[in-house]
Amino acid sequence: AQKITQTQPGMFVQEKEAVTLDCTYDTSDQSYGLFWYKQPSSGEMIFLIYQGSYDEQNATEGRYSLNFQKARKSANLVISASQLGDSAMYFCAMREVRNFNKFYFGSGTKLNVKP
Amino acid sequence: AAGVIQSPRHLIKEKRETATLKCYPIPRHDTVYWYQQGPGQDPQFLISFYEKMQSDKGSIPDRFSAQQFSDYHSELNMSSLELGDSALYFCASSLRQGDRPYNEQFFGPGTRLTVL
Repeated sequence: AQKITQTQPGMFVQEKEAVTLDCTYDTSDQSYGLFWYKQPSSGEMIFLIYQGSYDEQNATEGRYSLNFQKARKSANLVISASQLGDSAMYFCAMREVRNFNKFYFGSGTKLNVKP
Repeated sequence: AAGVIQSPRHLIKEKRETATLKCYPIPRHDTVYWYQQGPGQDPQFLISFYEKMQSDKGSIPDRFSAQQFSDYHSELNMSSLELGDSALYFCASSLRQGDRPYNEQFFGPGTRLTVL
């Protein structure tokens, strides 16, 4: 079974608007971590935000926030006030405590910010 | 701050040749990961090392091998290269602090391998 599912292959958003990128995950572990990475066309992987399974509050990092709904096993990334530089691939990833040295990635969402 | 270093950044090889990719983790990081990202694909976990010992294995072909050296740098050796091996190969490192899933992986810039 797919560990991480990103159902939006591509998204468009108008500059300065907010956008939500979906991510659902599958695990039977109680302890796990969820990550979002940005990959611009240049190829590097840039860490954006982290959410732990035991964290009670949704993670926020500047314009990035994570809408964590544990019962639904979803960890959606919200980007507020989109900028042209936000155009990139976005990957959701998960690590489980029992498979600590494995990182599972979703298939990614290509975000295009329109001026 | 020091980041993960990968070399070379670009590599062109022919079928059936061998290639060696190098990774220098962030100083004091004890865990190294290798990923393969094909065109338009998500990164696929290949293998990881913790304190110089192989700690986990993913979808790494038998033609590939990897090791981590005493100075913590790691090398991914790829033999009998095939056209399908053309991909971006990422190395990442992290510092393991107990069995918590919180530790971020810091990715290197990647090595783009093209097999002709």
